[in-house]
This record gives sequence, C-alpha cells and structure tokens, in this order.
Amino acid sequence: GQSLEQPSEVTAVEGAIVQINCTYQTSGFYGLSWYQQHDGGAPTFLSYNALDGLEETGRFSSFLSRSDSYGYLLLQELQMKDSASYFCAVRDPGRTGSARQLTFGSGTQLTVLP
Amino acid sequence: EPEVTQTPSHQVTQMGQEVILRCVPISNHLYFYWYRQILGQKVEFLVSFYNNEISEKSEIFDDQFSVERPDGSNFTLKIRSTKLEDSAMYFCASSEAGAGGAETQYFGPGTRLLVL
Repeated sequence: GQSLEQPSEVTAVEGAIVQINCTYQTSGFYGLSWYQQHDGGAPTFLSYNALDGLEETGRFSSFLSRSDSYGYLLLQELQMKDSASYFCAVRDPGRTGSARQLTFGSGTQLTVLP
Repeated sequence: EPEVTQTPSHQVTQMGQEVILRCVPISNHLYFYWYRQILGQKVEFLVSFYNNEISEKSEIFDDQFSVERPDGSNFTLKIRSTKLEDSAMYFCASSEAGAGGAETQYFGPGTRLLVL
C-alpha cells in the first residue's frame, strides 16, 4: 500500500519562507503531487514532480528525491491567504497496477501570522 | 476555466435513508473519482470510474455504495442506506488521460453529508 508522512502543523509569519516535508512509502511510484485545501473547500492541485529536482511555479516550488522517498513544498513570500492545509499525494496503482486514484497524506495545517 | 460541479452542497438525512450525490466532471476528462473527507481528517479514495465502469474501489466502498454515469455529463454516488459514520464531505474529481493526468485531479466543491 501507499503511506505518506508530513508534519501536522507549521506556523510562519507573512513574508517568510516555509518548507513542508513529505516522506512516502509506495508500491510503485509515479510521482508526488501537492494539493492545497482551504477550510471547507476543495483540494486544489498545486504541483507534480515525476522526476528528481525542483519545480517552480511562482511563489511555490516543489522538490522530489526519489532515492530518499522524500519531497517538499516550498512557499515563499508568505501571504495570509496561504493559510490552509497542504497535502502531499501519490498515485495508487491499485489491484490492477494501472489504477489512477490518489492516496493523500494527513495534511499539514499552515498558519500564516501577520 | 472549466470546473467540476457538485450538487447539493449540503445534505442532511436520517440514518437508513438513501442519498444520491451528483457531480458534473470536466467535459473532456475521462477518469472520474469519488473521495470523502471526514471532518479534520485526510481525503480518502472511494471509487474510480473509467469507460463506463468502476476501475478501482476502496474497502470503504461496500455494497451500500454505487456509482453511475447516467448520461454524458453526470456522475452520481448513491448511498443506499446511510449510517452515522457516512457523515463526511464527499468530493468528486476528474482527470485527463495521459502521463501526469492521474496526479493532476480537479476536485469539485464537495457535498457535506450529515446523517442523523
């Protein structure tokens, strides 16, 4: 099966940089995704790393090291609106080996303080 | 920008009643999913659907659950006889085919189900 570990909470101030780590154990690996979820809202796709290295999308970057089964999400120039839960996720190939559902981590609640 | 829509946004029902949750996935997507999230917990996979049939289901998705794509646009989740523990937010999602498509899923706003 798939399992992911990430910190439950992170707090930072506006303008700061924060890193949210994720380690995973998977049977079959297709890449690591990150989703953002505001309270009561839908998970929203942020980024996907299939290969090692850093992917940058504006203020958000995501990193993957497949040899370490580890990735992180880096949020720069934090804003109050970044306060949300952040989930890492991996594809679960399921019984058939070709399934496409996601297994999510437990989520990291980011609080941005003024 | 295309989006996944879900109705109703909230549903309150009595234990033992049937509920149907409705979703309209993004029109050119081929894979559809239902997930649920119990308050304060992580998002959990229920079922995936492709080519008009279930492709995978989790152990949560027992005989009380069923899915249908009754026409070219709607995708429904039916819970036949609701239990208290079915109270959760239910999210529909869809994704494209192709590499990376599974990892980039588009979620609807959810239906909050409360079973009394």
